[in-house]
This record gives sequence, C-alpha cells and structure tokens, in this order.
Amino acid sequence: DTEVTQTPKHLVMGMTNKKSLKCEQHMGHRAMYWYKQKAKKPPELMFVYSYEKLSINESVPSRFSPECPNSSLLNLHLHALQPEDSALYLCASSQDLSDVGEQFFGPGTRLTVL
Amino acid sequence: AQKVTQAQTEISVVEKEDVTLDCVYETRDTTYYLFWYKQPPSGELVFLIRRNSFDEQNEISGRYSWNFQKSTSSFNFTITASQVVDSAVYFCALRQSGYSTLTFGKGTMLLVSP
Repeated sequence: DTEVTQTPKHLVMGMTNKKSLKCEQHMGHRAMYWYKQKAKKPPELMFVYSYEKLSINESVPSRFSPECPNSSLLNLHLHALQPEDSALYLCASSQDLSDVGEQFFGPGTRLTVL
Repeated sequence: AQKVTQAQTEISVVEKEDVTLDCVYETRDTTYYLFWYKQPPSGELVFLIRRNSFDEQNEISGRYSWNFQKSTSSFNFTITASQVVDSAVYFCALRQSGYSTLTFGKGTMLLVSP
C-alpha cells in the first residue's frame, strides 16, 4: 500500500466553524507533513511530524492546530479561519526525516472559507 | 539559500510531440536531492523521480527521461511522444541533505492537446 488518503475531499466552512482535516497512511512512514497550496502556486510547508512529535512549525497561525494521534494518522484542526485560508491542503508522508526517502502526497482537501 | 527556477510557466504541445521542462537550481551544499512531481487537475502530487547530487547518470523511464547536469545546475525533464494524460503541472524540487524541507519551483503547466 503506497497510498496517502485524505478526508474530506472538499470542505466549505464559515469563519466561526470548527472542522478537522484527516490524513492516513499505512506505509509505516514515521514522518508526516501538512502543506498548503494556493492556486497556481507551489505547495508551502506548514508542519512536520516525526515519530508523532511536532518537528517543524513554519510560523503557521494558531487557528491551524495539527495533531498526530498515532504513526498512521495526522489531523489538522481548523478554527476561526479567514477567507484567505481557502486553499488545497495536502498531506504527505516519508519514511523518516533522513535522506532516504521521498515524500508521498495525498490527493488533498480543497477548503473554501466563506 | 536554496532556489529552484522553472522558467517555463506554461507549455502547450500537440499530442505526440516531445517536450522538455527546464529546472535550474541553486544550492551551496555538496549533497542534495532533486525531485520531479506531477500534479494533475485532481490535485495529488505524484512522485516521479529522485536524484542525488552524486549521481549524474541520466535516467529513462518509459516515455520520461531526465537529464541532470551539475555543471549547469540543471535537472531537465523530457516527455517523448506526449499524450493528453500528461497534461498537468510539473514541479521540480530540491532538498538539502539532513533537512526534510522541499524547496519547490513555481511549476510548469503542460497542456497536451489531441
């Protein structure tokens, strides 16, 4: 199984809502990532987890809250978002943070904030 | 600082034409990794290839080939006999040894028409 899955595929939320994005992989990878991608731009790294611990936070606003409940799951909790947060949110995983492996990406969640 | 430049914003070809996507990178490291990813309209980034800085051997995989030249800091990607299914945005990316962060180029949108 070389797949990273993400749910939901699409999400529309208001600025006062609380929602969560989910990501799952069963490749035994110990590093997982959240990226944000605006239209016609490359992905921008948000967070990196290594062995279920937060390793990198790229100065992301606190309205985005990541969580790694176990080695296969990665969540992104959303609260009080702004319309400019509308984007494609991509999850990725890799073997670990060493040089060995490449990152495998999920299909993404297209988020629209009204 | 690292940088990846994909000077071609958009390329349009007719099916069966050959097409080359350019990638030029900048890094001060002697050990680094280069990647190509494909992003079709569905959104998922599909890993195509990884090349480390010590391996300048060119690679061919079916209709895809990659030309890595350290002398010109380039890692170009050629699709032979393009097909409509090749239509996508292609990203070139760079990663320093010991770091998990990918530096992406801005991407090249390839449109293959029948």
